[in-house]
Amino acid sequence: DAGITQSPRHKVTETGTPVTLRCHQTENHRYMYWYRQDPGHGLRLIHYSYGVKDTDKGEVSDGYSVSRSKTEDFLLTLESATSSQTSVYFCATRSGEAAYEQYFGPGTRLTVT
Amino acid sequence: AQSVTQPDIHITVSEGASLELRCNYSYGATPYLFWYVQSPGQGLQLLLKYFSGDTLVQGIKGFEAEFKRSQSSFNLRKPSVHWSDAAEYFCAVGARAGGTSYGKLTFGQGTILTVHP
Repeated sequence: DAGITQSPRHKVTETGTPVTLRCHQTENHRYMYWYRQDPGHGLRLIHYSYGVKDTDKGEVSDGYSVSRSKTEDFLLTLESATSSQTSVYFCATRSGEAAYEQYFGPGTRLTVT
Repeated sequence: AQSVTQPDIHITVSEGASLELRCNYSYGATPYLFWYVQSPGQGLQLLLKYFSGDTLVQGIKGFEAEFKRSQSSFNLRKPSVHWSDAAEYFCAVGARAGGTSYGKLTFGQGTILTVHP
């Protein structure tokens, strides 16, 4: 779809360690989003970006921070990972104001032990 | 605030049978509506979308959905299911321009579809 890659695809880390997930897109889309997916909850928005250096919180932002220094990259950081942050994380993009559909990356499965 | 309900957590159908997945939304105005499909271990793929106009929308893989404003519903249908349709399906509502909800999607909890041969 929108040329979205996520890295790493799988990660196991210990409680209390910092973790950074990367989303990279090649379509020059303006908007980027980070979601987490958990059984019974569907997808929930963590943070989103509406341009370089412009970000805002979603519904489950506690414990997460983001940065976007370039159009193509959107980083999600867990400053001190907890077991409750074990989840599958998806990045999505949207081209601009006239388009409302979002395109998703393949996901990152994060396990915090 | 917008919300989406998918009443069926799991649906099982036989190959060749018809399919209808239910989606009800809550939103103060005419929403943007979407159906996505997720195969195991994969990301979400957009099946179809409704923005305005004709209330029956066609999507990829032979799926269609009908927007019914009076029922606040956007049900997904397929006349004949194939084994490859087995996946999880998500309905989503998007807010129109304005305020802090601009462009954000709210997803339902998903419906898992199992297809029996």
